[in-house]
Amino acid sequence: KQEVTQIPAALSVPEGENLVLNCSFTDSAIYNLQWFRQDPGKGLTSLLLIQSSQREQTSGRLNASLDKSSGRSTLYIAASQPGDSATYLCAVQGSQGNLIFGKGTKLSVKP
Amino acid sequence: GAVVSQHPSRVICKSGTSVKIECRSLDFQATTMFWYRQFPKQSLMLMATSNEGSKATYEQGVEKDKFLINHASLTLSTLTVTSAHPEDSSFYICSARGRTSASYEQYFGPGTRLTVT
Repeated sequence: KQEVTQIPAALSVPEGENLVLNCSFTDSAIYNLQWFRQDPGKGLTSLLLIQSSQREQTSGRLNASLDKSSGRSTLYIAASQPGDSATYLCAVQGSQGNLIFGKGTKLSVKP
Repeated sequence: GAVVSQHPSRVICKSGTSVKIECRSLDFQATTMFWYRQFPKQSLMLMATSNEGSKATYEQGVEKDKFLINHASLTLSTLTVTSAHPEDSSFYICSARGRTSASYEQYFGPGTRLTVT
């Protein structure tokens, strides 16, 4: 059974810092991996999707990497801003099409 | 981009009543829709998967007679929580995958906050 773990559970950094969020999964047989952002009481915003054949994806200040063989992904946020404060969720997609989510990392960026 | 809407965004109901939540794909045909549930400080848990015109497939531990899912068209799926109880209070989120979504990407709705009193 696929399990997704995110570390740390919470992170507080001063504005301007670069930071890394970690995600690990137990079964390497995945179709893709996605990183989402969730603001309090809101739905999900897709940030980056990495296909199983890819190693990384970039969008603006965000860079996500995928090492399928070791079951790990990282989300790198450069030059963090207070507006980046949210919960970041990692999810892997299996052969059935369903997404399995981690519990998220709650990020707080202090001005 | 692909847009998914949910209605209502918030609902408060009394214990024992039923509540229907709608999930619509606004600019694409959703051949598959997923329903997730999120309890406070927990991650999203898949409840069921529905393909247009077929019966939904429920995850283990999810009562299909309590959570009725209908996916009658390529743009609409509904989740009905029957005989709701306070423990059903949660954040319900749907997602949709299109016919041409080669990457299997899912597009999420904004969620529905259900409170059962």
